[in-house]
Amino acid sequence: NAGVTQTPKFQVLKTGQSMTLQCAQDMNHEYMSWYRQDPGMGLRLIHYSVGAGITDQGEVPNGYNVSRSTTEDFPLRLLSAAPSQTSVYFCASSYSRNQNEKLFFGSGTQLSVL
Amino acid sequence: KNEVEQSPQNLTAQEGEFITINCSYSVGISALHWLQQHPGGGIVSLFMLSSGKKKHGRLIATINIQEKHSSLHITASHPRDSAVYICAVRAWGGSEKLVFGKGTKLTVNP
Repeated sequence: NAGVTQTPKFQVLKTGQSMTLQCAQDMNHEYMSWYRQDPGMGLRLIHYSVGAGITDQGEVPNGYNVSRSTTEDFPLRLLSAAPSQTSVYFCASSYSRNQNEKLFFGSGTQLSVL
Repeated sequence: KNEVEQSPQNLTAQEGEFITINCSYSVGISALHWLQQHPGGGIVSLFMLSSGKKKHGRLIATINIQEKHSSLHITASHPRDSAVYICAVRAWGGSEKLVFGKGTKLTVNP
């Protein structure tokens, strides 16, 4: 099993550009989520999904879109990048929606918006 | 006040020392996670606790639900234990949200 695969590892964007961060898991996990990690702050939830076709907003959803057309994939789209979206992004998954089980994280994407 | 507070923020130890990292939270929870973030940035799940104590190798995690407190202990610390250790809780009530602490940066010197 590859676990949680997240790409790209690094990305530099100009203000206003759009891009998609990819996340895929091969463990048949029900729950998938996206977090951002900023200096001096804990990880914050952007969007999450409890199964194919079901997504919902987290704590900091503005400026991001997600979709979950398959169990395996959960891409994060930045619609019009802003400097405030400069951050490290992590995708995570767990077997069930209640997350009272082990979490699996992708390797992270370091995004800079100029 | 953050819902999850970790202490200390930074910790420096000598190889072989016994390490304790603390996590306090303010809400009723259904689960608490301890995570390790390596210097390269990757995050690995160490433990998920809802009660009692868990042990894996040199790592021990305990939780006191009544006191809303958890500790992560590392016995016989080693330089490869140098990392940021993060506590996260899931509140009761069916919330899909995990609330994360800011992390404790541990440096173990040889």
